[in-house]
Amino acid sequence: EVQLEESGGGLVQPGGSLRLSCAASGFTFSSTAMSWVRQAPGKGLELVSIISGSGGSTYYADSVRGRFTISRDNSKNTLYLQMNGLRAEDTAVYYCAKARRILPPGYFDYWGQGTLVTVSS
Amino acid sequence: DIQLTQSPSTLSASVGDRVTITCRASQSISNWLAWYQQKPGKAPKLLIYKASSLEGGVPSRFSGSGSRTEFTLTISSLQPDDFATYYCQQYNTEETFGQGTKLEIK
Repeated sequence: EVQLEESGGGLVQPGGSLRLSCAASGFTFSSTAMSWVRQAPGKGLELVSIISGSGGSTYYADSVRGRFTISRDNSKNTLYLQMNGLRAEDTAVYYCAKARRILPPGYFDYWGQGTLVTVSS
Repeated sequence: DIQLTQSPSTLSASVGDRVTITCRASQSISNWLAWYQQKPGKAPKLLIYKASSLEGGVPSRFSGSGSRTEFTLTISSLQPDDFATYYCQQYNTEETFGQGTKLEIK
C-alpha cells in the first residue's frame, strides 16, 4: 500500500525558514518523480516543485524559485522541501504527491494528507 | 506558461443528474490532462489521466474526453458521494492546475 506522510509544518514568522519532509512507502521511491503541491486557504491547487526519481532534474513555480529547494534521499525514501524567506502568501496546506513517472512532467496518483504552513507574525 | 480555465466555477445539480465540467487550455496539450476530485479537508484523488483513462477503482460513471485545448469530465449519474470540487491538471509542459469547479447539491 502506497503511503505518503508529510511532517514539518507549523507557524513561522515572515522571513523565516521551515523544512518539510515526506516519508514514502509501498512503492519504488527512486523510480518515481515526486512533488510538492500547495493549497492556500479556500483556494485551488498550485504545483510548488517537482523532482525526478534520481533527483537530477527539478522544477519550481515562479512564486517560490530562489527561495524553496526540493530534494530527496532515495536511501531513506524521503522527500524534502526547504523553504526560506517565507512570506504570508506561502501560507497553505502543503501536499506531497507521487507522480506516475520517473521524469516530470506528470500527473499524481497518490497524495499525502498534507501539512499546514502558516506564515504570520 | 499553459493556463487552464475550468467552467463553470460552481455547478448545482441533483442526485441522478448527468453533469459535465469543461477545462480549456491556453495552447494545445495533446491529451496530457488529468482530473482530480477533492473533498473538504482531504487530499485530491486522481480520477482520470491521459484525458480519458479511468484510474483504477474509480466508478465508471466518471468519464473524460477531449484533446488539444478542450476537455470534459462527465459524471453520468450523480451520487451523493460525488459532491466535491474537481480540478483539471495539464502535464504537457510542466504542470498546472485549473482553478477548480465546485459541484454543489441543488
